[in-house]
Amino acid sequence: GNSVTQMEGPVTLSEEAFLTINCTYTATGYPSLFWYVQYPGEGLQLLLKATKADDKGSNKGFEATYRKETTSFHLEKGSVQVSDSAVYFCALNVNTGFQKLVFGTGTRLLVSP
Amino acid sequence: DAGVTQSPTHLIKTRGQQVTLRCSPKSGHDTVSWYQQALGQGPQFIFQYYEEEERQRGNFPDRFSGHQFPNYSSELNVNALLLGDSALYLCASSVRDRGSYEQYFGPGTRLTVT
Repeated sequence: GNSVTQMEGPVTLSEEAFLTINCTYTATGYPSLFWYVQYPGEGLQLLLKATKADDKGSNKGFEATYRKETTSFHLEKGSVQVSDSAVYFCALNVNTGFQKLVFGTGTRLLVSP
Repeated sequence: DAGVTQSPTHLIKTRGQQVTLRCSPKSGHDTVSWYQQALGQGPQFIFQYYEEEERQRGNFPDRFSGHQFPNYSSELNVNALLLGDSALYLCASSVRDRGSYEQYFGPGTRLTVT
């Protein structure tokens, strides 16, 4: 089946530190990969995506590269801010014609000043 | 341009009762999906509606049912509520023929079953 595994949180960093949140996946077929962010009390917002191997998704200083050989889609940011504190979800969709996102359990990021 | 909207924001129900949650998709979107997010977990896919029909369903019992209206809005109904149904229910909309299958999420409805 299809599944996503994320690193356990919380990840606690100081402002301007480098961020990596690991994500690996198992999929039947050729998935599209996503990172969503959830701020406290809110729904999910799409952060970035990649639809084929070696694609790099990027947005707001965050980046992730679709690595088919290692079935990974790790999220990185060079310098985090306090405002980046949120829960980050890695997700996949196998392009079967109808969208059905499969999410990881989420990783909470806490950034202190 | 309004994004995905959901109502109500919060809801408290008693075990055994029935509940209806509502969702209006983003303008121009024709597909609505529903997800259940238990506390501390990632969202789990419930089902998806397109052209007023259920197209895909996750591993949820028949107590969970839905509907899509001609204006693409949708309802999620849960019968015979259990304590374990307490969760944040998220609606997501998308466009059927877009290759990227990008889904836009609403703020969710927080359901508490006592």
